[in-house]
Amino acid sequence: DQQVKQNSPSLSVQEGRISILNCDYTNSMFDYFLWYKKYPAEGPTFLISISSIKDKNEDGRFTVFLNKSAKHLSLHIVPSQPGDSAVYFCAAGDRYNFNKFYFGSGTKLNVKP
Amino acid sequence: GAVVSQHPSWVICKSGTSVKIECRSLDFQATTMFWYRQFPKQSLMLMATSNEGSKATYEQGVEKDKFLINHASLTLSTLTVTSAHPEDSSFYICSARGGENEKLFFGSGTQLSVL
Repeated sequence: DQQVKQNSPSLSVQEGRISILNCDYTNSMFDYFLWYKKYPAEGPTFLISISSIKDKNEDGRFTVFLNKSAKHLSLHIVPSQPGDSAVYFCAAGDRYNFNKFYFGSGTKLNVKP
Repeated sequence: GAVVSQHPSWVICKSGTSVKIECRSLDFQATTMFWYRQFPKQSLMLMATSNEGSKATYEQGVEKDKFLINHASLTLSTLTVTSAHPEDSSFYICSARGGENEKLFFGSGTQLSVL
C-alpha cells in the first residue's frame, strides 16, 4: 500500500507561469516532507523540505505548502523555467523512524518555452 | 554541500553473476545509508537501511540473501546483487543523511541490466 501518492504523472506549464505539483500521504505519523528533482539516469536532487510545525516554506522560486489536516502538500514553482523540466518526487518520513522516507511515484514537469 | 558518490553508474552483466554497487559520502560521515530501487515510471522503493558496523535492516519483501549490504566504514556502503537475473534489472540509488540539517542526499544511481 503506497503511503505517499502523486496522482498526476505529468504536468505541462508555459514558461513564466506557476507550476503546482501535488502530493498526498496517508500516514499521520509523517512529520517531515521533502521534494526532490530528478533528471533521467541521475539520482534525485534535494529541492526543499518542510516539517509539520510549519505550513509553508519558501526558497527562492520554490515554495512548499503543507496541509496536515488534509495530509496534502504541494510544491509551487514561480516563475517556471524550461530548466525546471524534470521529474519531481515528494517524500515523507515519520518522527519515530526519521531515517526512513517514502516516496511518491513522481510527476514529470514539462515547462514549455 | 554534502555529496554522495555512487559507482558504477551503469552495469550490464550476465544472468547468474553478482554485481557490487558502491555508495560513498564524500565530505561527511554517514552512520546510516539507504538503498532504493526504481522501476520505470514508478516511485523510489526503499530496499534497506544500511547501518555502519551492524547488519542492514531490510524492508518487507526484500531478500536479504539476494541483496547483500555492507557498511564497513562511515563513508562507504556497498550493495551486492547476488546471482543476478533479468528481473533484477532496475535503477538502484543510494542515499545518506548528512550536511546541513541532516538532509537526505542521493547518489547518482546505478542502472543495472541483467542479460
